[in-house]
Amino acid sequence: AQSVTQPDIHITVSEGASLELRCNYSYGATPYLFWYVQSPGQGLQLLLKYFSGDTLVQGIKGFEAEFKRSQSSFNLRKPSVHWSDAAEYFCAVGPSGDKVIFGPGTSLSVIP
Amino acid sequence: DSGVTQTPKHLITATGQRVTLRCSPRSGDLSVYWYQQSLDQGLQFLIQYYNGEERAKGNILERFSAQQFPDLHSELNLSSLELGDSALYFCASSPEVYRSNEQFFGPGTRLTVL
Repeated sequence: AQSVTQPDIHITVSEGASLELRCNYSYGATPYLFWYVQSPGQGLQLLLKYFSGDTLVQGIKGFEAEFKRSQSSFNLRKPSVHWSDAAEYFCAVGPSGDKVIFGPGTSLSVIP
Repeated sequence: DSGVTQTPKHLITATGQRVTLRCSPRSGDLSVYWYQQSLDQGLQFLIQYYNGEERAKGNILERFSAQQFPDLHSELNLSSLELGDSALYFCASSPEVYRSNEQFFGPGTRLTVL
């Protein structure tokens, strides 16, 4: 069965430091991959998506992610974190039948 | 602002009651999705409608139902409410039927069952 894991439940980084959030998936075919961000009290917003082509994907707010088929991973990165990046981050994979499967999320805290 | 609106923002009710959550998708989007987000279950897909027709079902309880109206707005009906139904309920919309496309999420309705 298709699944998404985000090994880190919570991460704390200092402002200005680099960030990498991990995402691993289990999927039988070429997946569509997404990263969403949820700020406190807000709905989810798409950061970036991968469908095909270049495995390094650029998104909004300075985020990027790299699809590595051999590792079944789609890790999210940002070279320099801002305090406003503190939020919940969700990796998602689809389609699974008629569904997109969301991971459990990683909560990011940023220390000033 | 995603363009998806949800009402009400907060809802407090008692066990056994019935509530209706409303969602207006982005202009032009034909697909509407409903999700439940709770601390213990994470983000769970409930159901999807496309242009008025049910397209896919996820982990939706029999006590829950939804519909999409001709003007494309959608309602999620929750009945015989239990304490465990307390959660954030999100609506999302997208222009296409396949979930490989980006979904635009509303701000959510926070349901508290006392």
